[in-house]
Amino acid sequence: EAQVTQNPRYLITVTGKKLTVTCSQNMNHEYMSWYRQDPGLGLRQIYYSMNVEVTDKGDVPEGYKVSRKEKRNFPLILESPSPNQTSLYFCASSRGLAGPYRAPDTQYFGPGTRLTVL
Amino acid sequence: SQQGEEDPQALSIQEGENATMNCSYKTSINNLQWYRQNSGRGLVHLILIRSNEREKHSGRLRVTLDTSKKSSSLLITASRAADTASYFCATTKGIGNSGGSNYKLTFGKGTLLTVNP
Repeated sequence: EAQVTQNPRYLITVTGKKLTVTCSQNMNHEYMSWYRQDPGLGLRQIYYSMNVEVTDKGDVPEGYKVSRKEKRNFPLILESPSPNQTSLYFCASSRGLAGPYRAPDTQYFGPGTRLTVL
Repeated sequence: SQQGEEDPQALSIQEGENATMNCSYKTSINNLQWYRQNSGRGLVHLILIRSNEREKHSGRLRVTLDTSKKSSSLLITASRAADTASYFCATTKGIGNSGGSNYKLTFGKGTLLTVNP
């Protein structure tokens, strides 16, 4: 079954304790992204990756790191989490459409990770 | 700043009625996508419309795109209680430079649709 998986689904942690949220897709997609969703603010892109070893900042990258060593995995790392990073996080993947900019096609979203930083 | 902005923020209708949601954006785009989200769940793709298309249909969904007005609309016909969800538009914009390609995908804040039985 084609899917995007995220782990963990729920996490409560304390300020400053490094954590990693994993994301994996089995569709051989080029593009992968991380978003955070907060009430009243919609989805905001944190980081994205157009292919292996190619990553770039989204709208709210501060306090986050990512890596794309393999095509299927795109972990999100919080080196020193703070309470303002309490949020609902989504990973998404897509293939690229044909064309000069290879704009992303349909985004497939993971189920979300609800993170609370105390 | 948000590229896509949905309007209205919330919409409440009766089952059987049509629901129309709008999305406006600021700069030229490659494509525009509509997504649905049930409370706290992942987003589910509904329709993608490319910048050179004007209208697309999928079942009870109809999406239009007016690039001159930089706006799109999502129409859900004969709504059902199960259509209750948040609906988001997302715009993709090429940020090309020599020797490579890049893109920007931006979601709006969404429209909360409530369909009353």
